[in-house]
Amino acid sequence: NAGVMQNPRHLVRRRGQEARLRCSPMKGHSHVYWYRQLPEEGLKFMVYLQKENIIDESGMPKERFSAEFPKEGPSILRIQQVVRGDSAAYFCASSPSRVAADEQYFGPGTRLTVT
Amino acid sequence: AQSVSQHNHHVILSEAASLELGCNYSYGGTVNLFWYVQYPGQHLQLLLKYFSGDPLVKGIKGFEAEFIKSKFSFNLRKPSVQWSDTAEYFCAVTTYNNNDMRFGAGTRLTVKP
Repeated sequence: NAGVMQNPRHLVRRRGQEARLRCSPMKGHSHVYWYRQLPEEGLKFMVYLQKENIIDESGMPKERFSAEFPKEGPSILRIQQVVRGDSAAYFCASSPSRVAADEQYFGPGTRLTVT
Repeated sequence: AQSVSQHNHHVILSEAASLELGCNYSYGGTVNLFWYVQYPGQHLQLLLKYFSGDPLVKGIKGFEAEFIKSKFSFNLRKPSVQWSDTAEYFCAVTTYNNNDMRFGAGTRLTVKP
């Protein structure tokens, strides 16, 4: 049973470009969470999605960031017009049910570097 | 404000020393508690978790943690650390009122051979 998959593992973008980060949850998991880890800091929640629905995006910056989890395919975290401050590790996690009732399984992360 | 606090930012130990990493949370009500480890360049791995029952939880690699409800704490312990335990350790909390897992800032553990 494959774990949570994320790609790419490393992504380099110039300021102003778009970054697309992909996350495939574990088989059977329909709940996906995105977190951002800045250097020397813990993980910060960004968004929680179920298939075709955004459930909670309270941790998402209001501009330039968006997320989706379509009926088919991986969840996508999209960052438009990236800036240097977006450089971070972005982790995806999945769970079979709502987070309060179960643990989350984390992917290997995507390290975004904005030059 | 609701939060998870890890008071030790960086801990340096020699091999065979005992380890205790502090974790305190400020959420009321029922909580689920976790400790994750992140080895350099790798993703988070679950060390142990507490949902209910015995407040002393045993995890992988010889780690254990004790949930003390009256102190809002979930400290991580290991009686004898190894060089391979060098990593960053994160405490995390989930509650029924939140949709996400709340993390502490992490404690970096360096074990000297």
